[in-house]
Amino acid sequence: AQKVTQAQTEISVVEKEDVTLDCVYETRDTTYYLFWYKQPPSGELVFLIRRNSFDEQNEISGRYSWNFQKSTSSFNFTITASQVVDSAVYFCALSEPTGANSKLTFGKGITLSVRP
Amino acid sequence: DSGVTQTPKHLITATGQRVTLRCSPRSGDLSVYWYQQSLDQGLQFLIQYYNGEERAKGNILERFSAQQFPDLHSELNLSSLELGDSALYFCASSVGSQGANDEQFFGPGTRLTVL
Repeated sequence: AQKVTQAQTEISVVEKEDVTLDCVYETRDTTYYLFWYKQPPSGELVFLIRRNSFDEQNEISGRYSWNFQKSTSSFNFTITASQVVDSAVYFCALSEPTGANSKLTFGKGITLSVRP
Repeated sequence: DSGVTQTPKHLITATGQRVTLRCSPRSGDLSVYWYQQSLDQGLQFLIQYYNGEERAKGNILERFSAQQFPDLHSELNLSSLELGDSALYFCASSVGSQGANDEQFFGPGTRLTVL
């Protein structure tokens, strides 16, 4: 069965620090998708990134970057020069199998607090 | 704003009652998903509909049911409510038929409190 582990439950940093949020997944499928979502204090879930299992290229989007390593089944998320607005709960998720009947499994989430 | 709307925003009811949560997907999206977020269970997928048909089922209790109407809005019905059903219920939508592989856009959620 698919599983997503976010071992860090809470992280607190000071503004401008870099922070990495870890995500480890388990799946028996060779084809799957990985996601990161952000849940700010307002409660809404915001999509950040989707990655398919065949694309191991790292991705950078502004201050955000993602490191996907199939060898270690990890999909880590780094925020560079963190800001107070980055304070939120961050969820890593895995969808499998591919196709119309796929299901999204979320990790427990990591609460990130960025202090001024 | 994701474009997904959910009503009501808050719902307070008593054990044993039945409630209906409503979701309108983004314009053009054919898939609707329901999720439950609680402190002990985290975020759990409940069910997906695509263009009116059930496509995928997760950890949805038998007391819960859902449907998607011809205008693509969806309703989640929760009956014989228990204290443990208190949670935030999210609806999400996506444009395609690729299920959870699609990028999903989440609504603001309905907070259900069962007393």
